[in-house]
This record gives sequence, C-alpha cells and structure tokens, in this order.
Amino acid sequence: KQEVTQIPAALSVPEGENLVLNCSFTDSAIYNLQWFRQDPGKGLTSLLLIQSSQREQTSGRLNASLDKSSGRSTLYIAASQPGDSATYLCAVKGSNYQLIWGAGTKLIIKP
Amino acid sequence: NAGVTQTPKFQVLKTGQSMTLQCAQDMNHEYMSWYRQDPGMGLRLIHYSVGAGITDQGEVPNGYNVSRSTTEDFPLRLLSAAPSQTSVYFCASSYSGKGAQTTEAFFGQGTRLTVV
Repeated sequence: KQEVTQIPAALSVPEGENLVLNCSFTDSAIYNLQWFRQDPGKGLTSLLLIQSSQREQTSGRLNASLDKSSGRSTLYIAASQPGDSATYLCAVKGSNYQLIWGAGTKLIIKP
Repeated sequence: NAGVTQTPKFQVLKTGQSMTLQCAQDMNHEYMSWYRQDPGMGLRLIHYSVGAGITDQGEVPNGYNVSRSTTEDFPLRLLSAAPSQTSVYFCASSYSGKGAQTTEAFFGQGTRLTVV
C-alpha cells in the first residue's frame, strides 16, 4: 500500500531564505507526482506536476525534483516571501489513477 | 473557464440530517472523485467514478453515497450526518483516457461541513 510522508510537518523561516520541502513515498511505481498549495480556509492550488519519466519541473521561484528510485521528491522555494506562507501538499498518482496524499508541510515565512 | 465547481462552500448540519454536496465539471473528464481532509492528515478518498453509471468505494466510504448519472456531475450524499463527518470535502476530476497517467487532477474549492 502506497504511503506518502511529508517532513517536517511545520517550518518557519525568515524572509529571503531558500528552502526545501520534502515528500517521500513507499512505492516507486507511480505515474506522476503533484505539488499543491493550500491557504488557510481555502482550496487547493496546483503548483507543479512531475511525470514519472521526469527529474524536475520549474515554475518561477519553485523547482520540484523527483527521484523515483529512492521514493523522494523535493520542492525548492527560492528567495522566500511572506506570501509563500501556506500549507504545501504532495500527492502521487498510482497505477489505479488514484491520488495518495501526504499530510502537508505548514510553511511560515517571517517578515 | 469554470473547471470544477462545488456547492455549497459552507454547511452546518445537525446530527442525523441528510444533505447532498454538489460537484460539477465542464472539462468532459471521465474520472471524478471525492476526498475529505481532516487536520493533520492527508486527503482521503471517499468514492470515485470512472464514468457515467460507474462508481466505486475509496478508502473511507462509510456514511456516504454517490451516483454518476452524467459525465458532468458527481454528487456526494450524507445519509445521516454524524459529528465524525465534520471535515472539508474536495471534489476532483481528471482525464482518464489514453495517456491519462500523465495528466493532472483539478480540484474544486472545497465544502466546509460541520455536524453538530
């Protein structure tokens, strides 16, 4: 059974720092991995989608990497800003097309 | 460009009441699903559908019913609400045809349900 873990559960850093969020999964047989952002009381915003054949994807200050063999993905945020404060979720798509989710990392960027 | 639309956004129910959470998508996606999100946990799959007339159970189906009469709509019914069903509910859709393994999922804005 696929399990997805995100560590740490919460992270607080000063503005301007570069930071890395982690996502690990137990079954490497995935189709893709998707990173989402969730603001308090709000819905889910898709940030990046990485296919199983890809190593990384970039969007602006965000870069997501995928290492299927080790069951790990990282979301790199460059030059963090207070507006980046949110909960970041990762989800993997398995062979049955269902998404399995991590519990998220709550990120706080201090001005 | 509506995408996935969920209604209502907020709802308070009394224990034992029933209600239907609505979900509609305009992207002609065959695959639709319902998740619940609870504090400290990842989203968990309640029910899903791979096309009109076809539904199946996910990880936490008890207390919920679904039906899929059209491609566009996938309502979630709470038959007799319980406090344990207090949660945030998300509806999602995605393409499930050829090459579906590479496609992303699209989500509604969520329904915050409180059962008292």
